[in-house]
Amino acid sequence: NAGVTQTPKFQVLKTGQSMTLQCAQDMNHNSMYWYRQDPGMGLRLIYYSASEGTTDKGEVPNGYNVSRLNKREFSLRLESAAPSQTSVYFCASSELMGLGTDTQYFGPGTRLTVL
Amino acid sequence: AQKVTQAQTEISVVEKEDVTLDCVYETRDTTYYLFWYKQPPSGELVFLIRRNSFDEQNEISGRYSWNFQKSTSSFNFTITASQVVDSAVYFCALSEALNYGGSQGNLIFGKGTKLSVKP
Repeated sequence: NAGVTQTPKFQVLKTGQSMTLQCAQDMNHNSMYWYRQDPGMGLRLIYYSASEGTTDKGEVPNGYNVSRLNKREFSLRLESAAPSQTSVYFCASSELMGLGTDTQYFGPGTRLTVL
Repeated sequence: AQKVTQAQTEISVVEKEDVTLDCVYETRDTTYYLFWYKQPPSGELVFLIRRNSFDEQNEISGRYSWNFQKSTSSFNFTITASQVVDSAVYFCALSEALNYGGSQGNLIFGKGTKLSVKP
């Protein structure tokens, strides 16, 4: 059981380049999330997918798009990277999103630098 | 609005000391969930505990214990007899129940407390 996996682990981009961060979970979870972590800021939600086929904006969605490809996979795309998007990106998943709000389990993170 | 405050930015202790990490939260909801996560130097986020708002019993797991007090909106975390391996950043997080004020059960994180345990 790998849990939540993310690729790549590290990435350096130039301003204006695009890239997609991949996330997959093998726990049969319904909900998936993308967060970014900046120094001294904790984690902030970018986008989430409550279930397959749905996506919604979180706290800091500008400059990002997402795709819930199937139940297992949730990708995050930067169309035109900016230095302000330099951060560590975490994907997470949870079994349920509902009245019994479930625990979110996190992937290992992707460290992205935009020059 | 939801908010989580971890006032201690950094704490440094010597091995075997007890240490308490503070967490204060704000929410309008009567049903909510509180979490603690550990982020060791390797960078991953490790789930430690989840507590719902109806269960104010303190919890102990080995050297870890948690004190939940609704009256003071606090959910503090104590490590007894700290060890070097406890060195990490610890995050407290809050989630409201689905559909309260549009909430989708998202986690709101505090900014974290960096704990350094020296030998």
